[in-house]
Amino acid sequence: DAGVIQSPRHEVTEMGQEVTLRCKPISGHNSLFWYRQTMMRGLELLIYFNNNVPIDDSGMPEDRFSAKMPNASFSTLKIQPSEPRDSAVYFCASSFSSGAYLSTDTQYFGPGTRLTVL
Amino acid sequence: GENVEQHPSTLSVQEGDSAVIKCTYSDSASNYFPWYKQELGKGPQLIIDIRSNVGEKKDQRIAVTLNKTAKHFSLHITETQPEDSAVYFCAASIPGGSYIPTFGRGTSLIVHP
Repeated sequence: DAGVIQSPRHEVTEMGQEVTLRCKPISGHNSLFWYRQTMMRGLELLIYFNNNVPIDDSGMPEDRFSAKMPNASFSTLKIQPSEPRDSAVYFCASSFSSGAYLSTDTQYFGPGTRLTVL
Repeated sequence: GENVEQHPSTLSVQEGDSAVIKCTYSDSASNYFPWYKQELGKGPQLIIDIRSNVGEKKDQRIAVTLNKTAKHFSLHITETQPEDSAVYFCAASIPGGSYIPTFGRGTSLIVHP
């Protein structure tokens, strides 16, 4: 398997522009997670999906952020309008969640998208 | 919710020395504790994990120990090599439903040749 695929790897944009990050999870995985990583705040969970349904979006910083998962093999994270404070590395991760008590549900991370908002 | 503290934030060792990274967690219901290694420009990758019904687990030069009573777990790397230099994250998760780990802030390990 190719692992989790993210695009683009790098994105530089100007404040106010719309940014769309893309993720293709590992085939067969049923849970997908979006994280943001910064030096100040570390690794933050933004939102996660289970079977394409958003389960918890409490980590989404504000209404400028939105995420979709139209099918099991694709998800997007959109920022509109973007601001300089959104500059960070955004990771997508996927896992297979069996829901069983002893399930480990190991997360596999993509390479990340480094976003710079000028 | 769960809170994970990780120490130290930076660890510098000489090649061949051992390195130990420690984490504590707050929720006694947590039962799964993975460790991730993040190399520069890459996403975190799982290197070892442990469940709450096991006290220690080894995989070649790395080992993880768990003390449920004290609610802390540690990563041990022996005979460190320059390629072990990376940021290491611990995490803890509570069973039931989707697996949502709480991550520590990370430890930057530097192995000097």
